[in-house]
Amino acid sequence: DQQVKQNSPSLSVQEGRISILNCDYTNSMFDYFLWYKKYPAEGPTFLISISSIKDKNEDGRFTVFLNKSAKHLSLHIVPSQPGDSAVYFCAAIQGAQKLVFGQGTRLTINP
Amino acid sequence: EPEVTQTPSHQVTQMGQEVILRCVPISNHLYFYWYRQILGQKVEFLVSFYNNEISEKSEIFDDQFSVERPDGSNFTLKIRSTKLEDSAMYFCASRGIWGRTGELFFGEGSRLTVL
Repeated sequence: DQQVKQNSPSLSVQEGRISILNCDYTNSMFDYFLWYKKYPAEGPTFLISISSIKDKNEDGRFTVFLNKSAKHLSLHIVPSQPGDSAVYFCAAIQGAQKLVFGQGTRLTINP
Repeated sequence: EPEVTQTPSHQVTQMGQEVILRCVPISNHLYFYWYRQILGQKVEFLVSFYNNEISEKSEIFDDQFSVERPDGSNFTLKIRSTKLEDSAMYFCASRGIWGRTGELFFGEGSRLTVL
């Protein structure tokens, strides 16, 4: 079951630069996509979401882009800050709020 | 700020033993979930619970698993006879009626180690 895939297990970015995290999905029936952030020893926390009828959603430094034809979404963080260092999970909603997660990408922001 | 709390933070058990993981969801939330993450793998959905019954469960959630909301505040996950492959971090989550679509509030997790 690989309905949501994050192909990059890790990403390292310089502080102040843009971080771009990518995610692909296979199920065209997903109607919402989300990004969660997870720090060590904590549960995942909601970051941003996007409806399948939109192609962009922005919240402060975080922007999510959705390309439905390519079944691809991305999270842009700009400018990146040291506190952004975490594991980022892409997720999609299937059914009544059942989240399907990707494998996660560990983002490290270097000072 | 209200949060989801889970106990124990870490439990070590022998294969075949019963385990109960406990969660206290955010007080005005009505939807409750258990997810798990085996080390190095993705976070996987186990079960959702609403109005005192299971609303959806995954293939992982077989007869060895059960959930219960024994009172107005706790939400428990029971594994009847643990197997080695049940070793994972188990996350409880909840959400209210209102809020952003897909926004679940997760606890810090209970790490289960089956020997």
